Amino acid sequence: EIVLTQSPGTLSLSPGERATLSCRASQAIRSGSLAWYQQKPGQPPRLLIYGASGRATGIPDSFSGSGSGTDFTLSISRLEPEDFAVYYCQHYGDSPPVTFGQGTRLESK
Amino acid sequence: QVHLAQSGAEVKKPGASVKVSCKASGYTFINYYIYWVRQAPGQGLEWMGWINPNSGGTNYVQKFQGRVTMTRDTSISTAYMELSSLRSGDTAVYYCARERWVDTAMLLDLWGQGTLVTVSS
Repeated sequence: EIVLTQSPGTLSLSPGERATLSCRASQAIRSGSLAWYQQKPGQPPRLLIYGASGRATGIPDSFSGSGSGTDFTLSISRLEPEDFAVYYCQHYGDSPPVTFGQGTRLESK
Repeated sequence: QVHLAQSGAEVKKPGASVKVSCKASGYTFINYYIYWVRQAPGQGLEWMGWINPNSGGTNYVQKFQGRVTMTRDTSISTAYMELSSLRSGDTAVYYCARERWVDTAMLLDLWGQGTLVTVSS
């Protein structure tokens, strides 16, 4: 079973700064199987990145994904107030088909 | 406009069952798998299983085997998730989500608003 470990657990930054969030898989995974979601309080998750680096429809280009093998990164180039939220990585594989990381909380300093 | 609309909040006693609905609109229901994901208060996301609305085929997480049943009614473009033998640890927001594929990438691109299920005596 693939386990996704996200770090840091909480990231405190100021608007305008750059955010770098990590997702590490317990074994090498196919890049096409890695996605990132943003979740704000009281809302469902929102798809940001699919296939490790593809930006979902309507997602600003300040969001970017990268990585391969076991290490994947979500970057936000310049934080806006609305970017402070919880971010999850998600893997699609064989058994189980879907696993989520535990999340990284991005909070405003 | 594509949309998944879920049923309202539920309060259930331990040992009871709950059935949550997820009505699709704006797209062809049978063409996309529906996933069910839950989130306990203050916790992360937990995948429960999926249903193929076309065939009715399902795949459940082993943890929920025997307690969860996912069904659909294609005539009204609605998927259902029923969880039985409820316990306090099942208190969570339950989401349905649509699976889509872009080349070889799987994504959950459309989510319902969530249904809060509270299990309390």
